Amino acid sequence: DAKTTQPPSMDCAEGRAANLPCNHSTISGNEYVYWYRQIHSQGPQYIIHGLKNNETNEMASLIITEDRKSSTLILPHATLRDTAVYYCIVRVWYGNQFYFGTGTSLTVIP
Amino acid sequence: DTAVSQTPKYLVTQMGNDKSIKCEQNLGHDTMYWYKQDSKKFLKIMFSYNNKELIINETVPNRFSPKSPDKAHLNLHINSLELGDSAVYFCASSQELRDRGRNTEAFFGQGTRLTVV
Repeated sequence: DAKTTQPPSMDCAEGRAANLPCNHSTISGNEYVYWYRQIHSQGPQYIIHGLKNNETNEMASLIITEDRKSSTLILPHATLRDTAVYYCIVRVWYGNQFYFGTGTSLTVIP
Repeated sequence: DTAVSQTPKYLVTQMGNDKSIKCEQNLGHDTMYWYKQDSKKFLKIMFSYNNKELIINETVPNRFSPKSPDKAHLNLHINSLELGDSAVYFCASSQELRDRGRNTEAFFGQGTRLTVV
């Protein structure tokens, strides 16, 4: 599975959009981009995933560049409860492995 | 109902002991995993089981052994516990992909904090 690179930490003002970048320059055509988050020491929580097209659900939006070498997770209106470590993972569609990197520690500031 | 449940939530034990952590999923998933999160917060996969068959073993010491009595359970047995085994252990499950587009995210339990003294 391709590796990902994320900034170690970010801050975001409460109520503003949080944009979390991820680089996956070695991604292959059969790999999806997944985003998870881990709040404090809870179990990781699935957020969203996509292949080529931008995706949106009730939690977030995922923007994948046309060349698929990077993506951005967008939390449209960050709240204090969104403070967590966010992980970007690439994974083959037929595989079951989820390899976590170091993630981005997002702090939402009141 | 909790999708993936682990017991116990906390486990404190002495070096050299043998302990088990239980995991159950009620999602009907084909694959279950064990992850270890150390003090540096790095999440590392230890095992995955698909239909009772081990498909990943990420150079984990053989003191650790996964046991799957059925598709809904994957228990973790640890023999001769060492101080370095202290960590949070997470169980997870996902559905094996058989066609493109199926939603196959992994669901995680809430973790078991193991402390070896």
